[in-house]
Parts: sequence; structure tokens; C-alpha cells
Amino acid sequence: RKEVEQDPGPFNVPEGATVAFNCTYSNSASQSFFWYRQDCRKEPKLLMSVYSSGNEDGRFTAQLNRASQYISLLIRDSKLSDSATYLCVVNGRSSASKIIFGSGTRLSIRP
Amino acid sequence: DAGITQSPRYKITETGRQVTLMCHQTWSHSYMFWYRQDLGHGLRLIYYSAAADITDKGEVPDGYVVSRSKTENFPLTLESATRSQTSVYFCASSESVGGASYEQYFGPGTRLTVT
Repeated sequence: RKEVEQDPGPFNVPEGATVAFNCTYSNSASQSFFWYRQDCRKEPKLLMSVYSSGNEDGRFTAQLNRASQYISLLIRDSKLSDSATYLCVVNGRSSASKIIFGSGTRLSIRP
Repeated sequence: DAGITQSPRYKITETGRQVTLMCHQTWSHSYMFWYRQDLGHGLRLIYYSAAADITDKGEVPDGYVVSRSKTENFPLTLESATRSQTSVYFCASSESVGGASYEQYFGPGTRLTVT
């Protein structure tokens, strides 16, 4: 089993829709969680950190469920510009060697 | 502009040749990382460095060598390139690796093809 798993998609949704995807992790001692966005053939960029209490940034909401060991990303009122691959990142401890990237979930927003 | 740069952006080399990928950052970040990205595997950590002259292995270090004599530079060398090392290589830097607020900044990537 991979340490961090994501549904690869693609998720194909119409503009304006709400879409959510999860990322599961196997290390219960994981401490830090993040969502990165990666556009085609570009470098990943931080979208948002995921806090224990959940956090929201505009149309994006991230949640952490420690009991079930997953993080989620919800995108409301999706835009064409949201089309990208979303990578979840889990840091097992405060050590660079335990930073694990998921393989990514591809999202495509159609007009 | 300040940032993190990689060179070359594209490289084609032959099996058995030595190749060095360069990474330079202008933020004076303590940590620097090398990842490779392949279909189906996502980003995998090759090596990282916590400071100048301090480096450590990541998940897939075999066949690679790194050095960090200066804070701003973190070159990655493929000692004898193999076809399995054909990949997109990303360099990244960050101020720290702990806490919920740290962020990794990535370079634009180097597309390496080994024939």
C-alpha cells in the first residue's frame, strides 16, 4: 500500500460545479498536510495548508480527518482555470525525508 | 528576479554518460530538495539538504550524487545515466520542514531523456 494515495481521476465536471476529492495516508504519526496544484508541464505550487480545524481560502476548503487518516479538498463554483492536477503532501514528521507526495488527482473543468 | 532556477531545462544524453543538473535559489532557504516525477509515481524525493555541506538520501537516491558547497546551489549528478532515469526533475527549496505553514518552492523542472 502506498503511504499517500489519491484517486488519479480524471474528474470532469462542468463550470460552476462543486467537486471534492480525498487523499488517504498510512502513517498515523503524520504531522503536516498540504495541497499543491500542478498545471500541465509546470512546477507544483502550494495551494493551501491543511489545519486540524479545517481551513478555507475563497472557493477552496481543506479538511483533515485524523481518525480515518485522510485529507480532503473541496472546490466550490469551479472555474475553467481550476483545471489542473492536485497533489496532496503529507509530512510524517519534521524531517525532509518523510515528506511524501501523492500521485495527484487530475481535474478538468468543462464550459 | 529572485526565485529558484534550474538548468538546463531540457537535456538529451546517452546511456553511460555523466549528467549534472543545476539548481540555484536566491532566497537563502536552508532546505533544498531534488525530486523526480514519473507517470504513476508522482514526485519522489531523491536527495535533500538541510544546509550547506549537509545532505541526505530520500526515497530513490541510487545512481545520483549531490553536493551543496554553497547555500544557494544544489547540483544533482547522474554518474552514469540509465534509461530508467529518463524523467522530469524538480528542484525545490524551503525555509524549514516542520510545522503547518512551511512551503516548498519549486523550480521549473528539467526534462531529461536518456537514450
